[in-house]
Amino acid sequence: QEQLVESGGGVVQPGRSLRLSCAASGFSFRSHAFHWVRQAPGKGLEWVAAISFDGSNKYYADSVKGRFTISRDNSKNTLYLQMNSLGAEDTAVYYCARDHSSGFYDLWGQGTLVTVSS
Amino acid sequence: EIVMTQSPATLSVSPGERATLSCRASQSVSSNLAWYQQKPGQAPRLLIYGASTRATGIPARFSGSGSGTEFTLTISSLQSEDFAVYYCQQFNNWPGTFGQGTKVEIK
Repeated sequence: QEQLVESGGGVVQPGRSLRLSCAASGFSFRSHAFHWVRQAPGKGLEWVAAISFDGSNKYYADSVKGRFTISRDNSKNTLYLQMNSLGAEDTAVYYCARDHSSGFYDLWGQGTLVTVSS
Repeated sequence: EIVMTQSPATLSVSPGERATLSCRASQSVSSNLAWYQQKPGQAPRLLIYGASTRATGIPARFSGSGSGTEFTLTISSLQSEDFAVYYCQQFNNWPGTFGQGTKVEIK
């Protein structure tokens, strides 16, 4: 079945880096754009970044621009989020989500928790 | 950026009753509106897209309506598994933005 599985979350000190991965299976990964969406504890959903199907176009929320980098490896069916200069405000569950092609998200991963704390 | 406002923040409903959730956009998003359901500890799940089209596998008791700036999600007869938080999302303007959510709780 179609599935997205995130990994790479954990506890990290402020100012450090972390890389998240999202492994896709059960569908044609290279045919879709993907997004990262995060959710701080007890809060709502916040779009973080997006990447086109071929990786040629990338977009970022202002809150992460210059610190986070989204990328993909279509040969490995995997999406990535490189997060640098992490701060407490980045503490959240990070979800990868598949773009249906119109801009809404029709498949979500289970999420991976990132905690930024000293 | 388009701001999405959901109301109410919390809705208390008895099982079997109807629930009506509202979502308002700060400017027109045409019919480019989606609804998601999120249960505690789980990822969001797509319910409705295009304002009124149910996603695959979504029961008919869920229905969406509206266009422009005013949208409604209706759950015709609440089941125990429907108590959750519901988010609307506009995808008319990039990037898509979410409302703050409506929690549907057991009355």
